[in-house]
Amino acid sequence: DTGVSQDPRHKITKRGQNVTFRCDPISEHNRLYWYRQTLGQGPEFLTYFQNEAQLEKSRLLSDRFSAERPKGSFSTLEIQRTEQGDSAMYLCASSSTGVMTDTQYFGPGTRLTVL
Amino acid sequence: AQTVTQSQPEMSVQEAETVTLSCTYDTSESNYYLFWYKQPPSRQMILVIRQEAYKQQNATENRFSVNFQKAAKSFSLKISDSQLGDTAMYFCAFMKLFQGAQKLVFGQGTRLTINP
Repeated sequence: DTGVSQDPRHKITKRGQNVTFRCDPISEHNRLYWYRQTLGQGPEFLTYFQNEAQLEKSRLLSDRFSAERPKGSFSTLEIQRTEQGDSAMYLCASSSTGVMTDTQYFGPGTRLTVL
Repeated sequence: AQTVTQSQPEMSVQEAETVTLSCTYDTSESNYYLFWYKQPPSRQMILVIRQEAYKQQNATENRFSVNFQKAAKSFSLKISDSQLGDTAMYFCAFMKLFQGAQKLVFGQGTRLTINP
């Protein structure tokens, strides 16, 4: 396994711009999660995919946020019209129904700074 | 809704000492998992240890062990023979099972520093 990867690792943008992040889960993991982590806090759940279906979204995920997982492989998280309050680390995690089922493995995160 | 509380924002011990990190949680669920994750400075979150609520035996992984008290809803992490590489933020997390997204609910973390 190559682990969960995320791209980019860092993103600086101006308020009002759109940004898109990508997550590549561990191969064959059918579950994918997005979390947001602000400085000094624990991660907070944003959304969950099982295969290509988005099955749950947090109230934290305003209508400016959209996530996709086409073909049940990689996922993208897009933030439209970014605001300074969107500045955070965006973490992706994946899990499977195999060995160590339900244990989530995290990627390195994408740190977003909105100026 | 589930909540997870870590009452120690920061802890500091000398190398080779034993340290215990506290975690309490609130839930009405009976089927759940508990986790400790470690997040070193500027590095990614990694799993330290996992406990299934239906298991009475406390989980152990090398120098890491837990004290799981289900009735008290307490889940502490003990690190024995601490090493400099154990310096990190430690997060306790709860996951309920069998209902919808098995999302993690995290505590606010404990910043652990191991001093030489």
